Amino acid sequence: SQQGEEDPQALSIQEGENATMNCSYKTSINNLQWYRQNSGRGLVHLILIRSNEREKHSGRLRVTLDTSKKSSSLLITASRAADTASYFCATDGSGNTGKLIFGQGTTLQVKP
Amino acid sequence: NAGVTQTPKFQVLKTGQSMTLQCAQDMNHEYMSWYRQDPGMGLRLIHYSVGAGITDQGEVPNGYNVSRSTTEDFPLRLLSAAPSQTSVYFCASRTGWGGNTEAFFGQGTRLTVV
Repeated sequence: SQQGEEDPQALSIQEGENATMNCSYKTSINNLQWYRQNSGRGLVHLILIRSNEREKHSGRLRVTLDTSKKSSSLLITASRAADTASYFCATDGSGNTGKLIFGQGTTLQVKP
Repeated sequence: NAGVTQTPKFQVLKTGQSMTLQCAQDMNHEYMSWYRQDPGMGLRLIHYSVGAGITDQGEVPNGYNVSRSTTEDFPLRLLSAAPSQTSVYFCASRTGWGGNTEAFFGQGTRLTVV
């Protein structure tokens, strides 16, 4: 089974509201990354948090990591219609393999 | 820079046919990977490579072959296409230097096997 499990699978909110997505994983990691995918397009990197970090910010994005619970969350503040997309977490495991293992994703719809 | 380029963008195959999905990157990245994306399944790793001449299997390698003769190219071969291989395929690359690096993705190849 996949390393990352995301929750919820789908989320619908109004513009201006905050959106929170959660990711759980199973094994030890070097870092955890979040990606965004617009419909029919490739994935785009959003933010990376290292295993020794607990929180990271980038613009309207806030990511937390709890390695004791093997979980992470992505918060998008003041959402916009343009944030409508699928969001995926990906774990970069120990060992120098370059592999990223992805979760199933959360589909976010932001209504104008 | 072009980044990661995948060709073709769309392909229809008949069951039993073979084909090669092309992936090229111009960023001199050591790491390259192939994923397939199916509805509700997220991205699943097919094969990956840590450098020229080195490849390894991911989560779902059956029915696919890869090779990495150059740093730039990482083709994915379907040996005998099956309807279960209908999917969207993504190639990705990362630099291996410094660790903790992001992946860059191609735009995907949408494959239908009939």
